[in-house]
Amino acid sequence: ETGVTQTPRHLVMGMTNKKSLKCEQHLGHNAMYWYKQSAKKPLELMFVYSLEERVENNSVPSRFSPECPNSSHLFLHLHTLQPEDSALYLCASSQDTSGSLKTQYFGPGTRLLVL
Amino acid sequence: AQSVTQLDSQVPVFEEAPVELRCNYSSSVSVYLFWYVQYPNQGLQLLLKYLSGSTLVKGINGFEAEFNKSQTSFHLRKPSVHISDTAEYFCAVSDRGNNFNKFYFGSGTKLNVKP
Repeated sequence: ETGVTQTPRHLVMGMTNKKSLKCEQHLGHNAMYWYKQSAKKPLELMFVYSLEERVENNSVPSRFSPECPNSSHLFLHLHTLQPEDSALYLCASSQDTSGSLKTQYFGPGTRLLVL
Repeated sequence: AQSVTQLDSQVPVFEEAPVELRCNYSSSVSVYLFWYVQYPNQGLQLLLKYLSGSTLVKGINGFEAEFNKSQTSFHLRKPSVHISDTAEYFCAVSDRGNNFNKFYFGSGTKLNVKP
């Protein structure tokens, strides 16, 4: 496996379900991100982890709960979601060092549909 | 705060014609600039980036972009497009020297190449 992988690629869930999205990066990076991509809207940054510590949370509802157990893995735990949460969820990683090459590499995304 | 404007939400063009996708940004500090491409049902793929040096940047698939500091623009160009270039293109900026890689994305431009 190379780059950034995400599982599952597609997910359908009811509003009372609990599910988790998984992201894994094989690039040796130390920062990981969750983005939400909705139709006709710019990418929304949800969470940023740098060196496994959450450094940014852009006022995301508590029904989204991130977890970063190590620098290679990132999870997004979902519970009691709303239909408006249906979107493409993208994971990205980068090497977060002062002055370093600041490029984010994205996974293929998880297409989520909340019924 | 930074912001990115992609004025054209959709750009139709015939195959082998030239194309320019516009990107303007606002920022009070120096920035890094990026273009990403998203093919249907896929994540974002880095097309090219400007970090420093020459203002004309060449990327993959024959694309290039020019950084214009006075006009705060970073337009993407290709002299002759192919059907396979049909995708959505995102411009992004990131602060120089910030503590982590916070990217600001435009709302995207859908390029539709017609035969």
